[in-house]
Amino acid sequence: DTAVSQTPKYLVTQMGNDKSIKCEQNLGHDTMYWYKQDSKKFLKIMFSYNNKELIINETVPNRFSPKSPDKAHLNLHINSLELGDSAVYFCASSVSETQYFGPGTRLLVL
Amino acid sequence: KNEVEQSPQNLTAQEGEFITINCSYSVGISALHWLQQHPGGGIVSLFMLSSGKKKHGRLIATINIQEKHSSLHITASHPRDSAVYICAVRYSGGGADGLTFGKGTHLIIQP
Repeated sequence: DTAVSQTPKYLVTQMGNDKSIKCEQNLGHDTMYWYKQDSKKFLKIMFSYNNKELIINETVPNRFSPKSPDKAHLNLHINSLELGDSAVYFCASSVSETQYFGPGTRLLVL
Repeated sequence: KNEVEQSPQNLTAQEGEFITINCSYSVGISALHWLQQHPGGGIVSLFMLSSGKKKHGRLIATINIQEKHSSLHITASHPRDSAVYICAVRYSGGGADGLTFGKGTHLIIQP
């Protein structure tokens, strides 16, 4: 009965590959987010998605693309992975102002 | 530039001590969050504030909108409180544009 789930938990891949991280929430929330936590543990918003409206943080490379097949899912697809993409990626969902975070996906690009 | 500043960056204290972590931000916000991240990595939302004060167990969070400042207090601290505490704000202006985070305060409570 996990509220916000992410798969996989760990992802190790080679530079140049394309990978996806999945996120699902069973809370019925309208808004979902992707955040990136870098090696210094600093969190930063990447995307928010609300009722088919996507808001992109301007600093996010266009190799990153969120895909939402339905309201409960917001997947993150990454093309041509680079070393600097290594980080922990958190999905979250919200109703009004309260945010619920997924457990994170630790991505390591070799 | 919209920034969130936290202090201290690191804090080590003895069990039982009263802990205060501070957060300041630069422009108007619709909400301020205090989050806890344990060494295992999961993030838990502790409080969401838009005004005043909230209390949950040994944790108290306050916000002063005029001064653009919030504090998180922990009373009777315990080693299990050891974690990174993160302040985050949602800026006014609407839109689903997520949270802006401080850099976190790494708290260690020694027995």
